[in-house]
Amino acid sequence: QVQLQESGPGLVKPSGTLSLTCAVSGGSISSGNWWSWVRQPPGKGLEWIGEIYHSGNTNYNPSLKSRVTISADKSKNQFSLKLSSVTAADTAVYYCARARLGATGAFDIWGQGTMVTVSS
Amino acid sequence: QSALTQPASVSGSPGQSITISCTGTSSDVGGYNYVSWYQHHPGKAPKLMIYEVSNRPSGVSNRFSASKSGNTASLTISGLQAEDEADYYCSSYTSSITLAYVFGTGTKVTVL
Repeated sequence: QVQLQESGPGLVKPSGTLSLTCAVSGGSISSGNWWSWVRQPPGKGLEWIGEIYHSGNTNYNPSLKSRVTISADKSKNQFSLKLSSVTAADTAVYYCARARLGATGAFDIWGQGTMVTVSS
Repeated sequence: QSALTQPASVSGSPGQSITISCTGTSSDVGGYNYVSWYQHHPGKAPKLMIYEVSNRPSGVSNRFSASKSGNTASLTISGLQAEDEADYYCSSYTSSITLAYVFGTGTKVTVL
């Protein structure tokens, strides 16, 4: 049973860089799935941030592309999110998720989510 | 790209059926059969309920069904139960600018 667990600082200063890691257990990040980050600001809906394949190929939400970097570390079986120049608008619960094999955009396994607050 | 449009809330009594709509454009919902639906209980991880318009993952109750017509996708919950009370989000692949995925605005389902 594949499980995902997000980790990282819960508080980031404005203009700083948000950095989160998603540890994959019970399976391999090289399994052929795409791996995504999704966020939910307080009281708002879900927003897809971007995705990575184990080869390093990435796709990003155009609205965040200039500030987002997603990378993968196959040796540690984890993938990471970096979001630069953060503002209060980036305050959200951040989830990592796995896309179902062979099913475009179907996120079948999610982490529990981690709350990140942008504040001085 | 803009979020897909869903009604803010839908309610029904136990045993009834309800339908949630998800309206997009020809660049997302209408253009591809890559619509998914998620159930989200606050404080928990979202759960995939439907993928590729109408397919149910193993373990999801057959009380959940979905379809698509033109630029609008729909999720129907039959035999509504108290445990179905949650937020529901649709999502779709979109090619409006570049490869990406867009979520719906979300619908709060209340079991009366």
